[in-house]
Amino acid sequence: AQTVTQSQPEMSVQEAETVTLSCTYDTSESDYYLFWYKQPPSRQMILVIRQEAYKQQNATENRFSVNFQKAAKSFSLKISDSQLGDAAMYFCAYRSSGNTPLVFGKGTRLSVIA
Amino acid sequence: DAGVIQSPRHEVTEMGQEVTLRCKPISGHNSLFWYRQTMMRGLELLIYFNNNVPIDDSGMPEDRFSAKMPNASFSTLKIQPSEPRDSAVYFCASRSLPGQGGSWDTQYFGPGTRLTVL
Repeated sequence: AQTVTQSQPEMSVQEAETVTLSCTYDTSESDYYLFWYKQPPSRQMILVIRQEAYKQQNATENRFSVNFQKAAKSFSLKISDSQLGDAAMYFCAYRSSGNTPLVFGKGTRLSVIA
Repeated sequence: DAGVIQSPRHEVTEMGQEVTLRCKPISGHNSLFWYRQTMMRGLELLIYFNNNVPIDDSGMPEDRFSAKMPNASFSTLKIQPSEPRDSAVYFCASRSLPGQGGSWDTQYFGPGTRLTVL
């Protein structure tokens, strides 16, 4: 079974600075998808960014980008120009190809310091 | 689009009572997932449906839990009888199936139901 590990339970960053959240995963599959979800205090799960494993180019969405290292099974999230609204729990998730459910990491709580 | 709709948003009940959680997926989505979030276990899959058919219910913790999807626009998760250890946030998520267009590779989550069993 696939597993997702987020080794940083908590992180903090100064407003306007850059922070990187780590995620590693374990799989024997070659075709899969990776996601970062944000969960603010409202509990809503919000998709931040996604990456298809067959794509070599790292995904970017405005201030959010990933560093996808397929051989190392690593999928880190970089948040640039951090804003107070970025404070939340961040979950890394894995999904096999086909219509399969998500496997989540335990999450990283990000605090943004003004 | 209204997104995935869940009701109720909060539920407080007493041990032994029946609890029913409801979910309306995004229109056109034919795949529906129920997840549970707790501090101890994080986010874990309970069950998922494709075209209203249950595909994998291995995450359903006990026979006290049951889920149905009578049509493409409605699903329920029932706990009978409820126990204090069932207290958690329950999420419903939906996704379109491959070939049906849209962001078929992404799950969209509802706001969750916070269940407290006293």
